[in-house]
Amino acid sequence: DIVMTQSPDSLAVSLGERATINCKSSQSVLYSSNRKNYLAWYQQKPGQPPKLLIYWASTRESGVPDRFSGSGSGTDFTLTISSLQAEDVAVYYCQQYYSTPPSFGGGTKVEIK
Amino acid sequence: QVQLQESGPGLVKPSETLSLTCSVSGYSISSGYYWGWIRQPPGKGLEWIGSIYHSGSTYYNPSLKSRVTISVDTSKNQFSLKLSSVTAADTAMYYCARVDLYSYGYSGYWGQGTLVTVSS
Repeated sequence: DIVMTQSPDSLAVSLGERATINCKSSQSVLYSSNRKNYLAWYQQKPGQPPKLLIYWASTRESGVPDRFSGSGSGTDFTLTISSLQAEDVAVYYCQQYYSTPPSFGGGTKVEIK
Repeated sequence: QVQLQESGPGLVKPSETLSLTCSVSGYSISSGYYWGWIRQPPGKGLEWIGSIYHSGSTYYNPSLKSRVTISVDTSKNQFSLKLSSVTAADTAMYYCARVDLYSYGYSGYWGQGTLVTVSS
């Protein structure tokens, strides 16, 4: 099974500043035949279900603000919030769907400093 | 707009079977996609349970496979989860979701979730 490890567990960022969340997979999630990384990012606010932000590591879901961006390849990935807004306070999860069973990272809690 | 809604008992006794149903509106299950279940213990991370296609084809997480059954009722546009021999470790928020890529890909549509507590 692929283990997803996120860092940090939590971070506090000032409004308008950049937030960076890391996700590392125990093996590559890059599929060589199509050069796609099978990696998604979700945002979960208290009392709500996860919301899909990004898939294929860097493709933004429709309606997601462009301050959210995903990058990385192979085993190392990053979710960046370029200018943190108050409504971005949440827990963020990465998920690999390269192989079964699909697995999620432990989550990173983002707060306002 | 695709909407999903979980329903079922919020309290299940240990060793019994947890049963939940997900009602889908705004999209016909028969039109495609896999439909899945994901759970989240209180204060913890997400765990994929399994998914089903309208044809009845299923995918189960190997860690739960021996206890899980997912079924579909296309006439009601619903799919269901049964988890047998539950213990306190199965206490969690249970979400249903549409799987947007094959049987275990990412999910863009989720229900609000239903909390199931396993306790006598």
